[in-house]
Amino acid sequence: KAGVTQTPRYLIKTRGQQVTLSCSPISGHRSVSWYQQTPGQGLQFLFEYFSETQRNKGNFPGRFSGRQFSNSRSEMNVSTLELGDSALYLCASSPGQGAYNSPLHFGNGTRLTVT
Amino acid sequence: DQQVKQNSPSLSVQEGRISILNCDYTNSMFDYFLWYKKYPAEGPTFLISISSIKDKNEDGRFTVFLNKSAKHLSLHIVPSQPGDSAVYFCAASDRYKLSFGAGTTVTVRA
Repeated sequence: KAGVTQTPRYLIKTRGQQVTLSCSPISGHRSVSWYQQTPGQGLQFLFEYFSETQRNKGNFPGRFSGRQFSNSRSEMNVSTLELGDSALYLCASSPGQGAYNSPLHFGNGTRLTVT
Repeated sequence: DQQVKQNSPSLSVQEGRISILNCDYTNSMFDYFLWYKKYPAEGPTFLISISSIKDKNEDGRFTVFLNKSAKHLSLHIVPSQPGDSAVYFCAASDRYKLSFGAGTTVTVRA
């Protein structure tokens, strides 16, 4: 079974631009979550989608948004990029809704650098 | 507000010895705990988990201990091997989302 696939792997953008990251979950997984990893901060929860609906959201500004398609694939968008948005963005999938009692399966991430 | 804390950013251990990683949490609603391992340029991979109804879970060389009254969990790796060198993240779930610690970098010395 193929794992979680994230594209692109690396991205360099300029302040003020917007960016879209893509995630294909494991086949059969209906829940997709997004996390931001920065040095010293661990993984910060962005949001979770289940059956095309956002079920939960972390403490990030409205510049961060996402969506999920009927085939469970998900995209994350960041508008008006700031230098502090430079991070590794990780997507994770699981069979059911939420992370309760079900380990997440992570992709290898998209490394975003904002200059 | 960091609800899951890993206070040791790094740990160095000799091959064959025990590695002990610690994690503290503040949210009493957390009832499922996990450890993830991460190599550079890869996503985290699930290692071991424990439900709040247990105080110990073992899987091969990995054992997780949970002390609910102290809101503390630990991961023991015995014996430590060179391939265990990685970043280890502690995570806790409150049925809605996973909250992660900042990670502990483990280096296993030959």
